[in-house]
Amino acid sequence: AQSVTQLDSQVPVFEEAPVELRCNYSSSVSVYLFWYVQYPNQGLQLLLKYLSGSTLVESINGFEAEFNKSQTSFHLRKPSVHISDTAEYFCAVRETGGFKTIFGAGTRLFVKA
Amino acid sequence: DAGVIQSPRHEVTEMGQEVTLRCKPISGHDYLFWYRQTMMRGLELLIYFNNNVPIDDSGMPEDRFSAKMPNASFSTLKIQPSEPRDSAVYFCASSQGSKGAYEQYFGPGTRLTVT
Repeated sequence: AQSVTQLDSQVPVFEEAPVELRCNYSSSVSVYLFWYVQYPNQGLQLLLKYLSGSTLVESINGFEAEFNKSQTSFHLRKPSVHISDTAEYFCAVRETGGFKTIFGAGTRLFVKA
Repeated sequence: DAGVIQSPRHEVTEMGQEVTLRCKPISGHDYLFWYRQTMMRGLELLIYFNNNVPIDDSGMPEDRFSAKMPNASFSTLKIQPSEPRDSAVYFCASSQGSKGAYEQYFGPGTRLTVT
């Protein structure tokens, strides 16, 4: 069975500062990894995904995540955050060949001016 | 495409009443998922369908919950009778299971309050 642990429930950060949201997963088989973002009163939206190939994946709005198989981690980073990045971020994992996605508990990112 | 459509967006009902939540997936998507989100339990998968057939309903909390997908463009999640502990945001998501497309597209959610 798979599981996802997001190590921080809330992360406050000042605007233009760097941020890292941590995610660790557990699985006995190969997995796909995802980060979703949820803005207030909205559904989740895919931010980025790792399926195969390069272990560093990027989103269009400056976020990146690196798949580390030995550490079973998929941490999300951004070098300089904006107020508009304030949202809840969910790490998710799914076994290759499966369709049941397991979501972490979420990390609330607060960007302060 | 309009994305995943859910209705109603908000529902307030009294304990014991029947509640029906509705979802229209993205056209062409062959997987449909129902999730429940609460502060205490986070995002929980309740059930998912493939080509209108329920595949895994192990997340449905109890017999008061039922879900149907009569055709490729419509699904319902019904709670009968409703209880205060069912208060949550319910999300529907759809996905295309063919090669290359793995992400789920979420609807805006239905916020259910049972008093």
